Amino acid sequence: EPEVTQTPSHQVTQMGQEVILRCVPISNHLYFYWYRQILGQKVEFLVSFYNNEISEKSEIFDDQFSVERPDGSNFTLKIRSTKLEDSAMYFCASSEEITDTQYFGPGTRLTVL
Amino acid sequence: DAKTTQPPSMDCAEGRAANLPCNHSTISGNEYVYWYRQIHSQGPQYIIHGLKNNETNEMASLIITEDRKSSTLILPHATLRDTAVYYCIVTVRNNDMRFGAGTRLTVKP
Repeated sequence: EPEVTQTPSHQVTQMGQEVILRCVPISNHLYFYWYRQILGQKVEFLVSFYNNEISEKSEIFDDQFSVERPDGSNFTLKIRSTKLEDSAMYFCASSEEITDTQYFGPGTRLTVL
Repeated sequence: DAKTTQPPSMDCAEGRAANLPCNHSTISGNEYVYWYRQIHSQGPQYIIHGLKNNETNEMASLIITEDRKSSTLILPHATLRDTAVYYCIVTVRNNDMRFGAGTRLTVKP
């Protein structure tokens, strides 16, 4: 069964450093999403992406975040200058159509020291 | 914020049916009810969704009341592996899933 994959599973970085989290969505899916979950808190929507453009973003997704589909398979989330409060699990998801079910990856645990 | 209300926790005996309620009294006519679950810190796993009619798949059944103001997710024969946080989400476009706190289901032997 096709699934969303994410790399790395765990990323440790120093405050102020840039990180790139990578996702490979399900191959025939056209809509891509990023969510985050701070330890012990809710899963929070960050951004949705379609046709090489952001289609929706939350108030969390500020100028330090960016997303990109650099090639036909990867979907990335970049955090330009990490802060301690960016420590969280980051989940990628994809769906075939905007109204279809979203399927989530296993997540990347980001630790900012 | 999430437009649903779920009990924070529930227990269920292994092998019995687990019935997880969700209130969504402000649901609008074109909003779907989705259920996901999250086992430990894994990615949320899709379970089932519906609009008006009851739905069943290999994982669960979804019962939606006639006025659509509440629903129940039924796991017919709960196993220890079903221990997880279960999220009920209402959404029209499925573009930005708004997760609440969910119900932490503990299946006990």
